[in-house]
Amino acid sequence: QQPVQSPQAVILREGEDAVINCSSSKALYSVHWYRQKHGEAPVFLMILLKGGEQKGHEKISASFNEKKQQSSLYLTASQLSYSGTYFCGTAKLTGSARQLTFGSGTQLTVLP
Amino acid sequence: NAGVTQTPKFQVLKTGQSMTLQCAQDMNHNSMYWYRQDPGMGLRLIYYSASEGTTDKGEVPNGYNVSRLNKREFSLRLESAAPSQTSVYFCASSPGPSNQPQHFGDGTRLSIL
Repeated sequence: QQPVQSPQAVILREGEDAVINCSSSKALYSVHWYRQKHGEAPVFLMILLKGGEQKGHEKISASFNEKKQQSSLYLTASQLSYSGTYFCGTAKLTGSARQLTFGSGTQLTVLP
Repeated sequence: NAGVTQTPKFQVLKTGQSMTLQCAQDMNHNSMYWYRQDPGMGLRLIYYSASEGTTDKGEVPNGYNVSRLNKREFSLRLESAAPSQTSVYFCASSPGPSNQPQHFGDGTRLSIL
């Protein structure tokens, strides 16, 4: 039931773009994205609800395709501060709407 | 502006010892959560509390108990610690259900020998 994230790791140079994918085998109600730096707590980035919406925050945006049960996180013109591990968390359409199931993470490294 | 506060930050236990991890939030959130994070496995939900007075099992509840003491505080208890419970434990809170963001504490790093 854990969503599958890809890739597991990616290395970029400053200014390059990256896409992180999150796929689920279950129908989804919402998808959360969080970023965690080493030794720190996860920090909320954005939530996408069913309806195929796309959200953006500065140079980080995301989409949610509910038919495919997939979400993608887009990082454009990456900065050194974007380094960290990115997790998607999914809430199923049925069952408890309060439980998030997290993927195993994508480790993003941005080099100067 | 503390947010979510967890205590202690680090703890070493011996197998069979008991311990309670404390969590408090000052954002007037209704829902609170306990997760564990192991290398390469992301965050796994242990227990959650949708509102004061209610608690529910998450994905990995065995070996743990919780208490929602009041709206602010949600504690996690290990009755008889086992080496398999060595992990980083995160407490989180949110205003409500899964369409709202979760705010995490800094974590408790627990080692069981």
